[in-house]
Order: sequence, then structure tokens, then C-alpha cells
Amino acid sequence: KNQVEQSPQSLIILEGKNCTLQCNYTVSPFSNLRWYKQDTGRGPVSLTIMTFSENTKSNGRYTATLDADTKQSSLHITASQLSDSASYICVVSDRNQGGKLIFGQGTELSVKP
Amino acid sequence: EAGVAQSPRYKIIEKRQSVAFWCNPISGHATLYWYQQILGQGPKLLIQFQNNGVVDDSQLPKDRFSAERLKGVDSTLKIQPAKLEDSAVYLCASSFTQIAGETDTQYFGPGTRLTVL
Repeated sequence: KNQVEQSPQSLIILEGKNCTLQCNYTVSPFSNLRWYKQDTGRGPVSLTIMTFSENTKSNGRYTATLDADTKQSSLHITASQLSDSASYICVVSDRNQGGKLIFGQGTELSVKP
Repeated sequence: EAGVAQSPRYKIIEKRQSVAFWCNPISGHATLYWYQQILGQGPKLLIQFQNNGVVDDSQLPKDRFSAERLKGVDSTLKIQPAKLEDSAVYLCASSFTQIAGETDTQYFGPGTRLTVL
């Protein structure tokens, strides 16, 4: 069983709409949780990073939330743009393994005009 | 600043052939990572270097994969011989440092897409 599970696996939305991506994890204790955006044919790029004591972090139209009690995180995208079409990957840093990053499988987002 | 450079961007080989990938990290980054990303999955760490020493290679298939970072700067990843299941994108990433329990931001290169026929 993956230690970082993301849902949905894929999502199609219309341009201008909002959406929320989910991440459930079992990694414990963890140092931080990140959301990465990976465009097709490119390497992942960090969007947000939160420590276990933070509840929310924003980066422009991207807002990540973290509930350490339920071990859940979400990434909310506001007023989506065509350029938001990408894979969004949730990554948890495992403190017991010296900060080793545990990657989710990603959510494939497609924004249609 | 210049990002993480990788080459080649694409490679097609037949099974049982050998292949090598090259990575040049961001200047000054002590830590270098090689990941394997199979289509539809998140990246899987193959090996992590701290300068020219190996920190973690627990998921590297050592019977066919090898990697080196001789001068603590650029790195090569080799597969010999390749299998069909090695078809994937090989990502290189670097970070300034890694302190136990903390992780600096990793910056990823564009990746090398390997197809094994």
C-alpha cells in the first residue's frame, strides 16, 4: 500500500472553475508536505511546502491545506487556467528516514476552454 | 540561475543494450538524486548522493543499474543491460543540502525519456 495516496487519479474541469485535489498519507512522523506541479515532458516544480505545524500555505492561485490529525492535505486551485493542465504530486518527507521524500502517484488535471 | 541539466532528452534502445544518462546539478548543490518515473506514477528514488558519497541506494537495481558522481558535481546513471520494464523517465534533481529530518527544496531537471524495445 502506498504511503501517499492521491485522489482523484484524473480530473477534467472548465477554464475559470475551481478544483480541489486530495492527498492522504500514512507517513509518520513527517517533516514537511509538499505539492509539486509537473507539466508534460518536464520535471516537477515545487508549489508549496508545509511543516507539520502549518495548516495552510498559498502560492498565487494555489492554496494547500494540511490536517496533521487526519493525515490529509488538499490543493485548491482557484480560477483555473489552461496552463494549470499538469500532474500534481503530493510529497511527504519521512522524518524516520532522514527526510526521504515519499511521492504520491499524482493527479492528472486537464483544464478545457 | 541555471537549472538542472540532463542529457539526452530522449533515448530509444533495444533490450539488453546499454545506456547512460548525464546530469549537471545547480551550482553549489551538494545533494543529487536520480529518480525513475514510470508513466502514470510518481517518481521513485533510485540513488541519492551527498557530494560524491552515496546516501541512499536501497531501491537501485544494482545488478543492472550503476551511478557515479566522481567529483561531487555532475553525475551519470547507467543501465546495463536494459530490460523492457526500464522504459521510464529518469529524473535528476539537486538540493543545496539535506539535514536529517529536514529537506531542502529539490529542483528537478527535464528528465530523460527512455524507451526500451
